[in-house]
Amino acid sequence: GDSVTQMEGPVTLSEEAFLTINCTYTATGYPSLFWYVQYPGEGLQLLLKATKADDKGSNKGFEATYRKETTSFHLEKGSVQVSDSAVYFCALSDHGGYQKVTFGTGTKLQVIP
Amino acid sequence: DTAVSQTPKYLVTQMGNDKSIKCEQNLGHDTMYWYKQDSKKFLKIMFSYNNKELIINETVPNRFSPKSPDKAHLNLHINSLELGDSAVYFCASSLAGLNSNQPQHFGDGTRLSIL
Repeated sequence: GDSVTQMEGPVTLSEEAFLTINCTYTATGYPSLFWYVQYPGEGLQLLLKATKADDKGSNKGFEATYRKETTSFHLEKGSVQVSDSAVYFCALSDHGGYQKVTFGTGTKLQVIP
Repeated sequence: DTAVSQTPKYLVTQMGNDKSIKCEQNLGHDTMYWYKQDSKKFLKIMFSYNNKELIINETVPNRFSPKSPDKAHLNLHINSLELGDSAVYFCASSLAGLNSNQPQHFGDGTRLSIL
């Protein structure tokens, strides 16, 4: 079946540091890929998505590129802020029928001033 | 103008009780979901409905029973609550059907604590 593997957290960075959160996936077809963010006490929100190979999703300074050859969708940001502290979830959605999303285990990011 | 709203936000109750969580979306979506998030933030799909029809029913105890009176509502009823049911339950919705590149929209969660 489909699966998503994320790097374990927590990840602690100083403000303005470069962020990478690794995500790899296994899927039988050509899924759509997503990054969701969960701020404390809130539900998940879509951060960015990519629907086909080599697509780059971007939002709020975050980027991720759909790499079919390495089955990866790593999240990056050039300069993190304290307000980016949250839990980040990588997810995939298969094309095989009604939408079932498979989520990774989440990576907690803490940014310190 | 809340998109996906679930009530209550907090639910504290005794073991063995029966409780319900309600969810409503005003986005015009045709698919709704229930997820359980444990203390380690692991998110697990429980159920999914498309136009009031059950389409995803993961391995969940039959004490959990979803009900969708219309495509804008998906409620979750839990019988005989157990300590292990303590978690945050999230409702979500999406435009789906056979189109899998649409994102899901989540509610703010219901924090269930069993005493």
